[in-house]
Amino acid sequence: DAGITQSPRHKVTETGTPVTLRCHQTENHRYMYWYRQDPGHGLRLIHYSYGVKDTDKGEVSDGYSVSRSKTEDFLLTLESATSSQTSVYFCATGTGGVYTEAFFGQGTRLTVV
Amino acid sequence: QKEVEQDPGPLSVPEGAIVSLNCTYSNSAFQYFMWYRQYSRKGPELLMYTYSSGNKEDGRFTAQVDKSSKYISLFIRDSQPSDSATYLCAMSESETSGSRLTFGEGTQLTVNP
Repeated sequence: DAGITQSPRHKVTETGTPVTLRCHQTENHRYMYWYRQDPGHGLRLIHYSYGVKDTDKGEVSDGYSVSRSKTEDFLLTLESATSSQTSVYFCATGTGGVYTEAFFGQGTRLTVV
Repeated sequence: QKEVEQDPGPLSVPEGAIVSLNCTYSNSAFQYFMWYRQYSRKGPELLMYTYSSGNKEDGRFTAQVDKSSKYISLFIRDSQPSDSATYLCAMSESETSGSRLTFGEGTQLTVNP
């Protein structure tokens, strides 16, 4: 999976608690992305980063924040988890063009109860 | 209404069949078209990409784009059990990262030996 590691791979958490998902890459790719995948919706972009400390919102960013303090790490935080945030979360990286946004992690399955 | 529509299936075919997977879209600004393949419990991987209208062939796979009809297709010839996966179409207005990829819901394909 092109040197992209997501942690944890599975997590169950309670409503109202903060949750942080981590994406670590060894490819030195400039761009990093967080997506969520849900039945009936496909993949939807949450946030993305185009460099250290440079981030922007995606399609479904409400309730999520991100940080990127190092090229290799991109963190996704659910500030106060809700049941609607139960999903599979994917991190992706790319070098600059949409055709190179081709590398996805294995996913994190998050359940909010 | 979703920008990209894709029949989620499931689609089940015998080994050796020709498979046709399709997406329609409503945003006429889309110019870059991709197909991703996602095996169960894995992240998506880029399978094919095309720019504007036309065909592109890669081995047993052919991607076709008809911008006048806002319709894209992926054909798989001589399908194999190893082709069993979910296939997602994706599109973008621009070639650069940061312009959002809009994904279809994905079509689940099973190729039976």
